[in-house]
Amino acid sequence: AQSVTQLGSHVSVSEGALVLLRCNYSSSVPPYLFWYVQYPNQGLQLLLKYTTGATLVKGINGFEAEFKKSETSFHLTKPSAHMSDAAEYFCAVSGGGATNKLIFGTGTLLAVQP
Amino acid sequence: DTAVSQTPKYLVTQMGNDKSIKCEQNLGHDTMYWYKQDSKKFLKIMFSYNNKELIINETVPNRFSPKSPDKAHLNLHINSLELGDSAVYFCASSPGQAGNEKLFFGSGTQLSVL
Repeated sequence: AQSVTQLGSHVSVSEGALVLLRCNYSSSVPPYLFWYVQYPNQGLQLLLKYTTGATLVKGINGFEAEFKKSETSFHLTKPSAHMSDAAEYFCAVSGGGATNKLIFGTGTLLAVQP
Repeated sequence: DTAVSQTPKYLVTQMGNDKSIKCEQNLGHDTMYWYKQDSKKFLKIMFSYNNKELIINETVPNRFSPKSPDKAHLNLHINSLELGDSAVYFCASSPGQAGNEKLFFGSGTQLSVL
């Protein structure tokens, strides 16, 4: 079975500050890991994903995440927050089998203060 | 052109009614999904179809019946609506059904059961 834990349901940062959203996963098979973003009243959009290869993954809008197997983590970072980054962020895991069954975390709402 | 479109965007109905949500994707993808997002923003997969064939069927009441007339469409019919069915329902698609694939989400249907 697979699961995802996102630490912190709400994170608030100042504009220009570092963004760090935490995600830990549990998986009995090599995981595929994803970060999705949801803006108000919209569907989810993929920010980035890790499948295999390089453990530091760069995504859209300046976000990146590092897969750390020893820590079972896939934290999302951005060096400098922008007001437009305010949204709900979801970490997700899938893996192994022939069917794409994404398991989502409970989400982290990012607020950016001016 | 919207890649994954769902209708209606809002659905308000009485308990006991039957309603349908429609989803269409114009991306040429083989796989489509229904996800349910509850009031706490938790996202859970309900169903997945690959080329009109049901491949994921989570523990969902049998009042929910998906139908895929062709691979570009996946509709969700709900019988005898209950208060607990109130949620946002997202349709999504992906090129195939492998676990490493990106999902493309619609903008959601907010269902309110009174």
